[in-house]
Amino acid sequence: SQTIHQWPATLVQPVGSPLSLECTVEGTSNPNLYWYRQAAGRGLQLLFYSIGIDQISSEVPQNLSASRPQDRQFILSSKKLLLSDSGFYLCAWKFGGGNTGELFFGEGSRLTVL
Amino acid sequence: QKEVEQNSGPLSVPEGAIASLNCTYSDRGSQSFFWYRQYSGKSPELIMSIYSNGDKEDGRFTAQLNKASQYVSLLIRDSQPSDSATYLCAVIKNSGGYQKVTFGTGTKLQVIP
Repeated sequence: SQTIHQWPATLVQPVGSPLSLECTVEGTSNPNLYWYRQAAGRGLQLLFYSIGIDQISSEVPQNLSASRPQDRQFILSSKKLLLSDSGFYLCAWKFGGGNTGELFFGEGSRLTVL
Repeated sequence: QKEVEQNSGPLSVPEGAIASLNCTYSDRGSQSFFWYRQYSGKSPELIMSIYSNGDKEDGRFTAQLNKASQYVSLLIRDSQPSDSATYLCAVIKNSGGYQKVTFGTGTKLQVIP
């Protein structure tokens, strides 16, 4: 069966510090991978999605970046965090190809920028 | 116009009643539709998927899709207090070769014992 792991679960960072969130998927090959952010009391905002290694599409211009160095690894980064970067970050995967197939989420990473 | 729209609620229903949650989407090219449940502080979990017009039933849940009206709904029969959560509607469409998954802002459901 497929599993998705995301870490760290919680972090508190000062403004201007760097960020790295990591996500890995097990039990499948060539998944589509996604990063979402959910601000407090808000909906899910799509940040990045990827159909393969080094193939990443950005949805929202911001100070965040994403990388996919391996087939089942997806990393969200920032060089300098802003207060507005606080939120609940969710990594998700689905089977690649076609318009069908459900999206499955990791446990999430809660980021507080102070 | 938002790509996926939901009433934010809260929708309050008594225990044992039917809860009806609605969602509209703007892109007629959308092909796959999903309902997720999200408890406070947790990640979303999939409840149902629906791909063709009509109804799809799974236990106490029924999803309804009407592509002509660009409308998706979720009915929860015999609502329980444990159903109290935010329900997210999600839509998949092709975007330059990618499967873009867009979520609504969610409807908060409160089931009153």
